[in-house]
Amino acid sequence: DAGVIQSPRHEVTEMGQEVTLRCKPISGHDYLFWYRQTMMRGLELLIYFNNNVPIDDSGMPEDRFSAKMPNASFSTLKIQPSEPRDSAVYFCASTTDRRPYEQYFGPGTRLTVT
Amino acid sequence: QKEVEQNSGPLSVPEGAIASLNCTYSDRGSQSFFWYRQYSGKSPELIMFIYSNGDKEDGRFTAQLNKASQYVSLLIRDSQPSDSATYLCAVTGTASKLTFGTGTRLQVTL
Repeated sequence: DAGVIQSPRHEVTEMGQEVTLRCKPISGHDYLFWYRQTMMRGLELLIYFNNNVPIDDSGMPEDRFSAKMPNASFSTLKIQPSEPRDSAVYFCASTTDRRPYEQYFGPGTRLTVT
Repeated sequence: QKEVEQNSGPLSVPEGAIASLNCTYSDRGSQSFFWYRQYSGKSPELIMFIYSNGDKEDGRFTAQLNKASQYVSLLIRDSQPSDSATYLCAVTGTASKLTFGTGTRLQVTL
């Protein structure tokens, strides 16, 4: 299996621009998670889906952030408009219903907003 | 108070020694406990999980859980330079959510 795939791996954008991060979970996994990691705050859960349905988005920092999962093999995290404080590494992770806590992480997208 | 607390380190141990990493958590209802390893610039990977009080051993790794004291630890025996990484403790909150600590950086010196 190819593992969790994320794109792009690096993104540099200017403040105010729209940013879209993409994730393809491991085939057959029922859960998909979006995390953000910074030095100050560590790894924070933003939102997670079960069977393509958003279950908990309480970690989404504000309305500028939105996430979708139109099908079992694709999810997006969108930031509009982006701000310098959004600079972080964004990870996508997936797992199965049988072992929901054993999450497999993608390589991450390093976002820099200038 | 943070939900999951770890000493940020760095924890420096000589090659061949035992590295002891500790984690405390605030939610007494937490059921499952995990250790993820993260190399610099890479993504976290699961290395150990424990659900019951006591010890769980897997190769050079031992996870220890004490629910009464709300702490979980990870012991790494015969530490190797390749063990140098950040170790993230994670606990279950509600539903399928994991709450992560900020991690302890381990340095294994030659």
